[in-house]
Amino acid sequence: ILNVEQSPQSLHVQEGDSTNFTCSFPSSNFYALHWYRWETAKSPEALFVMTLNGDEKKKGRISATLNTKEGYSYLYIKGSQPEDSATYLCALGGSEKLVFGKGTKLTVNP
Amino acid sequence: DAGITQSPRYKITETGRQVTLMCHQTWSHSYMFWYRQDLGHGLRLIYYSAAADITDKGEVPDGYVVSRSKTENFPLTLESATRSQTSVYFCASSESEVLSGNTIYFGEGSWLTVV
Repeated sequence: ILNVEQSPQSLHVQEGDSTNFTCSFPSSNFYALHWYRWETAKSPEALFVMTLNGDEKKKGRISATLNTKEGYSYLYIKGSQPEDSATYLCALGGSEKLVFGKGTKLTVNP
Repeated sequence: DAGITQSPRYKITETGRQVTLMCHQTWSHSYMFWYRQDLGHGLRLIYYSAAADITDKGEVPDGYVVSRSKTENFPLTLESATRSQTSVYFCASSESEVLSGNTIYFGEGSWLTVV
């Protein structure tokens, strides 16, 4: 079973702060790395899918990088807003399915 | 664009009863998945299906049964519900294999409580 680790488990920041969190995964047999944003009582929403070492993706104030050789991905949020409060999940694409980490719960205080 | 819908959204049932959670997608996606989400565990895969009449076990399949007679439907049945199956269940679909970088799209979840 693939092991996907996310850190930190939870994070509290002030509005306007920039923040980042980490997703670690086995570097062998890499296929794809997914990031999702999940608010309680809603569907997890896809943010990024990255497949190549060195990939960088950006969506508004949120960006992500990928290092497949060392087995990690960073998610960055610039100038956090209260509406960014959510759980951020990363998932490793292996064979036919995704294996998820436990997520990083972000709370942005106004 | 209806997307992917789950029903019921909320259900309370008694231990030992059979419960079926329905999942319907309108995109004709090949792949469909059932995950459960529990505190401290993240999303864990129960079963998945690569196409109609093809299903396979995920990480935590015990106590669950699935079927896929039609591409658009992927019901999940708890044959004899137990308290440990109290959870939030997410159905998801993907156009093709996720290893190719295809996105998985999730339904809104079904909250199941077993008392």
